[in-house]
Amino acid sequence: DAKTTQPPSMDCAEGRAANLPCNHSTISGNEYVYWYRQIHSQGPQYIIHGLKNNETNEMASLIITEDRKSSTLILPHATLRDTAVYYCIVRVTFTGGGNKLTFGTGTQLKVEL
Amino acid sequence: EAGVAQSPRYKIIEKRQSVAFWCNPISGHATLYWYQQILGQGPKLLIQFQNNGVVDDSQLPKDRFSAERLKGVDSTLKIQPAKLEDSAVYLCASSLEYYNEQFFGPGTRLTVL
Repeated sequence: DAKTTQPPSMDCAEGRAANLPCNHSTISGNEYVYWYRQIHSQGPQYIIHGLKNNETNEMASLIITEDRKSSTLILPHATLRDTAVYYCIVRVTFTGGGNKLTFGTGTQLKVEL
Repeated sequence: EAGVAQSPRYKIIEKRQSVAFWCNPISGHATLYWYQQILGQGPKLLIQFQNNGVVDDSQLPKDRFSAERLKGVDSTLKIQPAKLEDSAVYLCASSLEYYNEQFFGPGTRLTVL
């Protein structure tokens, strides 16, 4: 499985953009990058995913480098409710319909006033 | 749209006892997952079902853990007998198909004394 590397923690001021980096240098050509977050005492929540192109939805933007070895999740206007652990995951899909998300320890984002 | 339901939310048992967790996925979701999350770590996949068939159970400790999804809808995960190291949050997730994003339930927090 492609391994991801994320900083263990980051701080962000409320209202500012939060940029969360992720390295996935061993990613294969057909593997997607997924981002989930987990607010304290809740189950993980899907944020966004991408393969090659940059993606944007109502929650965030995902910027993937051209060589696909790294990506950045952008929360454009962070609020206190965005305080959570953010997981960057390379999804492995295998024969037979298997779909494996291997979670690391993620980045603890703390949004402060 | 109702989310993934899990029960109970909390369970405390003594080692060597048995315990069962229940999960009701989002209606229409063919794929169901069970994860184990130990404190301070990311979730780890235990088993994946596609409808009522097992796709991946490579990380399920089969000597003590079992899971079923008999009618392809709700699922139960059982531990028998429990060990101290089984103390964790057990998360259930579902997706429309195996290649879609996963939606997680709130989890069951198990404490083994």
